[in-house]
Amino acid sequence: DAKTTQPPSMDCAEGRAANLPCNHSTISGNEYVYWYRQIHSQGPQYIIHGLKNNETNEMASLIITEDRKSSTLILPHATLRDTAVYYCIVRVANNAGNMLTFGGGTRLMVKP
Amino acid sequence: DAGITQSPRHKVTETGTPVTLRCHQTENHRYMYWYRQDPGHGLRLIHYSYGVKDTDKGEVSDGYSVSRSKTEDFLLTLESATSSQTSVYFCAISENRQGPANYGYTFGSGTRLTVV
Repeated sequence: DAKTTQPPSMDCAEGRAANLPCNHSTISGNEYVYWYRQIHSQGPQYIIHGLKNNETNEMASLIITEDRKSSTLILPHATLRDTAVYYCIVRVANNAGNMLTFGGGTRLMVKP
Repeated sequence: DAGITQSPRHKVTETGTPVTLRCHQTENHRYMYWYRQDPGHGLRLIHYSYGVKDTDKGEVSDGYSVSRSKTEDFLLTLESATSSQTSVYFCAISENRQGPANYGYTFGSGTRLTVV
């Protein structure tokens, strides 16, 4: 799986959009971009994933650049409950046996 | 998540004693995984299973063994616990969907193990 690079920490004001970047310059054509988050002491939680098109669900939006070398996770209206560590992972999505490899992630602090 | 439960949630044990952690799923997923999480190291894979009686090692498997006799249960055993195995242990499950329908993993709530 391709390696990813994320800033170690970010702050965001409550109610504002949180934009979390991720670089994955060595991504392969069949690798998806996955985002998970881990709220303190809980297990990681799936947020969203995509291949090359932008994706949106009830939790977030995922913007992937045209060359697929980077992506941004957008939480449109961050709340205090969104304070967590956010992990960007790239992996092939056609084999569940492929392990998820977690890097350091970005620690997002949402402030009142 | 309701479909995956870990037990116990917390355990304190003495060095040298055997410990077994249990992961139970109700989703009938084929793949199950054990991770440990430590400050400064993030989540690291210990062992995983790709079916009943089919298991393999992850990156930090030394000192751990696993068993999967039923689809729904994946057991992690520390044969002789050491202080370095004090950690939070997470179980995860995954199904083998193709392409964009593969939503990755669902994690349990974790087991906090302290070895004294």
